[in-house]
Amino acid sequence: SQTIHQWPATLVQPVGSPLSLECTVEGTSNPNLYWYRQAAGRGLQLLFYSVGIGQISSEVPQNLSASRPQDRQFILSSKKLLLSDSGFYLCAWSVIGRGTGNTIYFGEGSWLTVV
Amino acid sequence: GQQVMQIPQYQHVQEGEDFTTYCNSSTTLSNIQWYKQRPGGHPVFLIQLVKSGEVKKQKRLTFQFGEAKKNSSLHITATQTTDVGTYFCAYPNKLVFGAGTILRVKS
Repeated sequence: SQTIHQWPATLVQPVGSPLSLECTVEGTSNPNLYWYRQAAGRGLQLLFYSVGIGQISSEVPQNLSASRPQDRQFILSSKKLLLSDSGFYLCAWSVIGRGTGNTIYFGEGSWLTVV
Repeated sequence: GQQVMQIPQYQHVQEGEDFTTYCNSSTTLSNIQWYKQRPGGHPVFLIQLVKSGEVKKQKRLTFQFGEAKKNSSLHITATQTTDVGTYFCAYPNKLVFGAGTILRVKS
């Protein structure tokens, strides 16, 4: 069966420090991968999605970036964090392309607090 | 871009009361999904609706897709404390989620 792992689960980072959140999917090949952000008590904002290795689409301009160095690995990064980057970050995957209605499976999430 | 509007933002009910959340789009949707996020957890898929006027049930949960495929609803009959959480509608074709409805149940 397919599983998704995301880490770290929580982190507290000072303003201006770098960020790296990592996500891996097991049990499937060539998944579509996503990073969402959820501010406290708010909805889900799509940050990045990837349909293949090295293919990243950005939905929102910001100081974050994403990379997909391997088929089932998705990394969210920042060189310098802002206070507004605080939130709950969710990695997710789905099976088929963006144009279909397949289920989106979420990881456990990473709570980021920028201080 | 594509948006799905979801109301209400928040609802606090007495245990045993019913609950409904609504999702609306200005354009026709080919399908719609519903997810539940428990407090402190991650969203989990509940169901997908595809057909015009479709109604699906999962125990005390009833999901409807409008005839025009522009709106959808989730109704919970006789809420229980285990129903607490945030309910999201989603249009997966555009990777868009509604803002969510936070449900709190008072026992």
